[in-house]
Amino acid sequence: SYELTQPPSVSVSPGQTARITCSGDALPRKYAYWYQQKSGQAPALVIYEDSKRPSGIPERFSGSRAGTMATLTISGAQVEDEADYYCHSTDSSGNHVVFGGGTKLTVL
Amino acid sequence: QVHLVESGGGVVQPGRSLRLSCAASGFTLNKYGMHWVRQAPGKGLEWVAVIYYHGNREYYADSVKGRFTISRDISKNTLYLQLNSLRAEDTAVYYCARDGCSGSYCLDHWGQGTLVTVSS
Repeated sequence: SYELTQPPSVSVSPGQTARITCSGDALPRKYAYWYQQKSGQAPALVIYEDSKRPSGIPERFSGSRAGTMATLTISGAQVEDEADYYCHSTDSSGNHVVFGGGTKLTVL
Repeated sequence: QVHLVESGGGVVQPGRSLRLSCAASGFTLNKYGMHWVRQAPGKGLEWVAVIYYHGNREYYADSVKGRFTISRDISKNTLYLQLNSLRAEDTAVYYCARDGCSGSYCLDHWGQGTLVTVSS
């Protein structure tokens, strides 16, 4: 089955840039999406179609995709950005959603 | 304002069945596809199923195919997930989510989830 691979954890100091990667063989042909899940809460969409931000998402969140890798960048990370982040794409058929394993972002 | 509220979770014995509901407001189900996603305790997100906006197409994760069924009632603006032949590994918080982007799947609004515990 198709898989998306994320690093288990990323740690930065407040104000630094955090980068979270997501790799998958189908990514050259499929959009990547990113979700933020704070402790005890439901996930929330922060980036869609590789690089677009839903309304209400701060400008410090950005996304990109090149080849088999997608990247979520948080420029000037803040303490409130501490959360688990999941990438999502679809398999080669386009019919099934696949989530990455998640990355725990620590900002301290 | 989009709002999704799941219900129907609880403790159930292995092999038994359960039906989850997701009441939607702020939009109509016949305009959007809908997904179920689950999260086992302390684990990551796992996609479960999708139903297209027209209701004529559904897809399932291999782990639940043949046991779970996604459906909807347009008149009640409610999404369902029928869970049959439950196993311990189905224990999870189950979220419903709206597919809100054109083109590829995009889960733009999520409910707060309902917990299903499969245990004897």
